[in-house]
Amino acid sequence: EAQVTQNPRYLITVTGKKLTVTCSQNMNHEYMSWYRQDPGLGLRQIYYSMNVEVTDKGDVPEGYKVSRKEKRNFPLILESPSPNQTSLYFCASSLSGQGARGYTFGSGTRLTVV
Amino acid sequence: QKEVEQDPGPLSVPEGAIVSLNCTYSNSAFQYFMWYRQYSRKGPELLMYTYSSGNKEDGRFTAQVDKSSKYISLFIRDSQPSDSATYLCAIFSGNTGKLIFGQGTTLQVKP
Repeated sequence: EAQVTQNPRYLITVTGKKLTVTCSQNMNHEYMSWYRQDPGLGLRQIYYSMNVEVTDKGDVPEGYKVSRKEKRNFPLILESPSPNQTSLYFCASSLSGQGARGYTFGSGTRLTVV
Repeated sequence: QKEVEQDPGPLSVPEGAIVSLNCTYSNSAFQYFMWYRQYSRKGPELLMYTYSSGNKEDGRFTAQVDKSSKYISLFIRDSQPSDSATYLCAIFSGNTGKLIFGQGTTLQVKP
């Protein structure tokens, strides 16, 4: 089944403890992206990647890192999480360009930083 | 002014009603228009996609784009309780290479 898989689905952590949220897609998509979704603010792009070893900042990149060493994987790293990073996170991928024909989203990771 | 505006609702309708969901956008260069449906505790899934003015129909769903008014709509006929979800409009700009989402409208269809 073609899909974007995120892990973990739920995560509670403490301020300052480094964490990684994994994202993997099995559709050979070139483009991958991370979003956070907050009430009243909608989906905001954190980082995106056009292809392997090519990443760029989205609208809200502060406090996050990403890497794209393989085409299928695009992990999101929080080096020192803070409570304002408590949010619902989505990984998404797209076959071509930057989403002109829509994205496929993962099921989400609900992160709570205490 | 946000590039894409969408009334967050919530919108509550009885089963069988016709639902109209709308977004406005500010940039006439926007090219591709989409609607996503997001069920609670799930990721958004692409529902409809179009790149031209006019209507596109898929079963009970019709997407409408009016580029002259910078207005897009999603109509749901014979709405069902299973249609209860958040609906997000999304617009792709070839100039910036970005997919921009509306805030999402929460719809509840009551049996």
